[in-house]
Amino acid sequence: AQRVTQPEKLLSVFKGAPVELKCNYSYSGSPELFWYVQYSRQRLQLLLRHISRESIKGFTADLNKGETSFHLKKPFAQEEDSAMYYCALRNQAGTALIFGKGTTLSVSS
Amino acid sequence: DVKVTQSSRYLVKRTGEKVFLECVQDMDHENMFWYRQDPGLGLRLIYFSYDVKMKEKGDIPEGYSVSREKKERFSLILESASTNQTSMYLCASSLDSRSYEQYFGPGTRLTVT
Repeated sequence: AQRVTQPEKLLSVFKGAPVELKCNYSYSGSPELFWYVQYSRQRLQLLLRHISRESIKGFTADLNKGETSFHLKKPFAQEEDSAMYYCALRNQAGTALIFGKGTTLSVSS
Repeated sequence: DVKVTQSSRYLVKRTGEKVFLECVQDMDHENMFWYRQDPGLGLRLIYFSYDVKMKEKGDIPEGYSVSREKKERFSLILESASTNQTSMYLCASSLDSRSYEQYFGPGTRLTVT
């Protein structure tokens, strides 16, 4: 079965604290994983994908096949990081994305 | 810049009405998608289309149908709206099936009373 699990509905941290948004997946073969973000009153947009191995807005995510995880991390959270974050997996057919239920990140000063 | 537009930001309909949600993209994308977004349930795929007149069911197609007569336009149809279809509806497009990025519209908040 193909599935994406984001165990936390809400994650609240203080500005400057480290952030880790958890994502676990279930997939047969080599998965393609993504993080999408939706800031308040803005469109959902791609944040990063595992293949690129890049850092976007200070966020990184490493694919751990052993733990079937793709956690999103940032060493020092900023208030502008407050948003809804979705982890997504390309389906086996390669035609669509399977999204997790999302985690709301709230960063306060 | 890819632009995905949706016909309405807010819509209020009565139970039993036929509802049309329109989505237009201006970048000649092959693939288009309709999702609904509900708190605690995330994004769930309703239908997608990979070509004109082609469609595939997603995870929750019941109570919905779609139409893609032109490449740039993808319509979601609620044949007989029900209160449990009150939701935020998001349209998205991607260049083709190999493309990894989906571009989303602003969403339509539909309320069925």
